[in-house]
Amino acid sequence: EAQVTQNPRYLITVTGKKLTVTCSQNMNHEYMSWYRQDPGLGLRQIYYSMNVEVTDKGDVPEGYKVSRKEKRNFPLILESPSPNQTSLYFCASSNPEGLSTGTEAFFGQGTRLTVV
Amino acid sequence: GQQVMQIPQYQHVQEGEDFTTYCNSSTTLSNIQWYKQRPGGHPVFLIQLVKSGEVKKQKRLTFQFGEAKKNSSLHITATQTTDVGTYFCAGRRSNTGKLIFGQGTTLQVKP
Repeated sequence: EAQVTQNPRYLITVTGKKLTVTCSQNMNHEYMSWYRQDPGLGLRQIYYSMNVEVTDKGDVPEGYKVSRKEKRNFPLILESPSPNQTSLYFCASSNPEGLSTGTEAFFGQGTRLTVV
Repeated sequence: GQQVMQIPQYQHVQEGEDFTTYCNSSTTLSNIQWYKQRPGGHPVFLIQLVKSGEVKKQKRLTFQFGEAKKNSSLHITATQTTDVGTYFCAGRRSNTGKLIFGQGTTLQVKP
């Protein structure tokens, strides 16, 4: 089954304690991205990756890091989480245009993060 | 930077009424996609529009892409309680592949 898997689904942590949210896709997609969703603000892109070892900042990258060492994995790292990073996070993958396959984004189930 | 604006932010309708959400981009898009997020769920792809002036239908849902490829709309005829959720448009620029989401419209349907 084609899917994007995020872990964990829920996480409560304390300010300053480094954490990683994992994301894995099994569709051989080149493009992966991370979004945060906050009430009234929709989906805001944090970082995205066009391919292995290629990452770029989205609209709200401050306080986050990513890596793309393998095509299937795109972890999100919070080196020193703060309360303003409390949010619902989604990982998504897709193929870029020009390929015969569809370009729609497939989303993970989401990770609800609370930083106290 | 490029923005995709979506209105309204919230809409409450009586079951059976129609509903429309609008999406506007500051720049020309190569295509636009629409997603639905059920309460407590994740966004799920509905449809993609590519051609200028394109209109597509999925049962009671009608999607339009503007002639200038800068705006789009989603219209639901005779809403049902199963239509409840947040609808997002997402525009893509061909030179970056980046998908930019609108803020979403949250639809509530009163039975």
